[in-house]
Amino acid sequence: GAVVSQHPSRVICKSGTSVKIECRSLDFQATTMFWYRQFPKQSLMLMATSNEGSKATYEQGVEKDKFLINHASLTLSTLTVTSAHPEDSSFYICSASKISGSSYNSPLHFGNGTRLTVT
Amino acid sequence: SQQGEEDPQALSIQEGENATMNCSYKTSINNLQWYRQNSGRGLVHLILIRSNEREKHSGRLRVTLDTSKKSSSLLITASRAADTASYFCATVTSGSRLTFGEGTQLTVNP
Repeated sequence: GAVVSQHPSRVICKSGTSVKIECRSLDFQATTMFWYRQFPKQSLMLMATSNEGSKATYEQGVEKDKFLINHASLTLSTLTVTSAHPEDSSFYICSASKISGSSYNSPLHFGNGTRLTVT
Repeated sequence: SQQGEEDPQALSIQEGENATMNCSYKTSINNLQWYRQNSGRGLVHLILIRSNEREKHSGRLRVTLDTSKKSSSLLITASRAADTASYFCATVTSGSRLTFGEGTQLTVNP
C-alpha cells in the first residue's frame, strides 16, 4: 500500500468564494506532503511543501495568503484557495512520501487530483 | 524551474511495438524518477534510478541513466493500449526538491 486520497475530485465555485481541498495518506504517516498545480498538457509545478506541525514552505511566486496550507496531522494536509478567481482554475495534485527526512530520495505517492473551476 | 526536458513531446505507436522516451537534464542529480499520469488523474511512480546506477528494469519497463550525457531513457516493450498515458521524468538534485519534466504523451493504438 501507499494510498493517498484527495478530495474532492472536482469542484466548481463562484469567484470570491474559498475552496478547501483535502489530501490524506490512508495507510502510512506522511510528515511531508507536497502540493502541485498542473495546467492542461503541461508539467507539474510545485506550489508548496507541507510539513506536519509547522508552516508550509511556499515556492517563489506562490501567494501564501491565497493558497492556505494546513498540515495538522501526520495523515492530513489541506489546501484552501481563498477568494478564488477564474485564473485559479486548474488541476491541483497532492503527494506524500512514506519516508521522512529524505523525501526526495524515495518515490512520491500522489492523490488523484482536484479539478477546480472558478466561474 | 523545470530541469528535465523530454522528447518526444508526443509519441504514437501500434500495440506490440516498443516505446522509447528520453529525458535530459542540466545539473548533477541525486536520482531520477519516472512517473506515469493517466488523463485527469494523479501520477503513479514507475522507477527510481540513482546517480550511481546505469540501468534498471521493472516488468516491461527499462530505464537507463547516462550521467555523463545528463540523460535518461524509458523503454516500454511490447506496448499495450493501456500504456496510453503521459510519462514524466523527475530529477532530484542534492538538497533540492523533485523537479518534473514537461512529459511525453504516449498513445498506443490497438
